[in-house]
Amino acid sequence: DTAVSQTPKYLVTQMGNDKSIKCEQNLGHDTMYWYKQDSKKFLKIMFSYNNKELIINETVPNRFSPKSPDKAHLNLHINSLELGDSAVYFCASSHRQQYGYTFGSGTRLTVV
Amino acid sequence: AQSVTQLDSHVSVSEGTPVLLRCNYSSSYSPSLFWYVQHPNKGLQLLLKYTSAATLVKGINGFEAEFKKSETSFHLTKPSAHMSDAAEYFCVVSDDNDMRFGAGTRLTVKP
Repeated sequence: DTAVSQTPKYLVTQMGNDKSIKCEQNLGHDTMYWYKQDSKKFLKIMFSYNNKELIINETVPNRFSPKSPDKAHLNLHINSLELGDSAVYFCASSHRQQYGYTFGSGTRLTVV
Repeated sequence: AQSVTQLDSHVSVSEGTPVLLRCNYSSSYSPSLFWYVQHPNKGLQLLLKYTSAATLVKGINGFEAEFKKSETSFHLTKPSAHMSDAAEYFCVVSDDNDMRFGAGTRLTVKP
């Protein structure tokens, strides 16, 4: 009965590889998000996706691409992984931003 | 544009003493305000939220926060710290179009 679930929880991979992180929410929310948390705990919005409208943070490299097969899923695909991509990635969902987000438990990505 | 400033990057208290985590915000609209907690190696959990109802908001685990428009503040308090409160705390300001996280305050609780 997990509200927002991400898989995998941990991901260790080599530079140059392509990987995906999956996110699913069962709350009936209409907006989903991807956040990146760096080693200093700073949270940075990467994408939000609402009713097939994708809003991209312009500072995110185009190696990162969100894919939403339906309203309950927002996956994150990363091409040509770099050392600097190592971070914790959080998926979140909301009905409306003013009511707050529900976060997944995070995916710790380590690029070696 | 909105912004949020958490005034302390690290707060250390003794178990059983009060907790105060400070947050100031800037917003052109009547904002919604939140506090989230992140325990080590865990996701973010909503502690409490203010959405233009009562200015004193009670949350989970004995935390509360007071919205003070004149001071543009939304400080988080708890009367008596518990060891399990040790975590990272994030203040968040939101309108319908944008949500901004503060840089976080790390709370340490000493026995």
